[in-house]
Amino acid sequence: RKEVEQDPGPFNVPEGATVAFNCTYSNSASQSFFWYRQDCRKEPKLLMSVYSSGNEDGRFTAQLNRASQYISLLIRDSKLSDSATYLCVVIPTALSGGYNKLIFGAGTRLAVHP
Amino acid sequence: DVKVTQSSRYLVKRTGEKVFLECVQDMDHENMFWYRQDPGLGLRLIYFSYDVKMKEKGDIPEGYSVSREKKERFSLILESASTNQTSMYLCASSFALYELSYEQYFGPGTRLTVT
Repeated sequence: RKEVEQDPGPFNVPEGATVAFNCTYSNSASQSFFWYRQDCRKEPKLLMSVYSSGNEDGRFTAQLNRASQYISLLIRDSKLSDSATYLCVVIPTALSGGYNKLIFGAGTRLAVHP
Repeated sequence: DVKVTQSSRYLVKRTGEKVFLECVQDMDHENMFWYRQDPGLGLRLIYFSYDVKMKEKGDIPEGYSVSREKKERFSLILESASTNQTSMYLCASSFALYELSYEQYFGPGTRLTVT
């Protein structure tokens, strides 16, 4: 079983739609969670952290469900510019000084059409 | 603005050739990483370095080596390229500080084809 699993998609949605992705992780001791975004033929970039209580950043909402070991990303009012691959990232240990190993999911592709 | 640059965007090499991929970052980051990205597999860590001349194996180090002689530069070496090393190679860097070390800044990637 992969450490971090995502539905590869693609999710094809019209502009203005609300879309949600889930990501499951296998290590119950995982402490920190993030969403990265990767545009086509570009490098991944940090989109947002995922906090235990859930958090919002504009149209984006991230949630964590520790009991079921998954995180989610909700995008409201989708824009054409949201088209990208969204990578789920998990740090399997408590954050510490120095190096923290990031485990990347394979990504979920989102295509927003007019 | 953090900048991570990689020496080539596209590279075509023959089986058995020695290949050097160079990465330079300009943010004085302590940590540097090399990943490969393949469809359906996501990013997999090859090697990382947390200081000059220091290196640690990642999840898939076989067939690769690295060099970090200066803080800003991290090189990935394929000693004898094979076709199964055809992939997108991404370099990244990050701070070592507790509260910042989770954010890795990536270079644009090198698409390597081994024929």
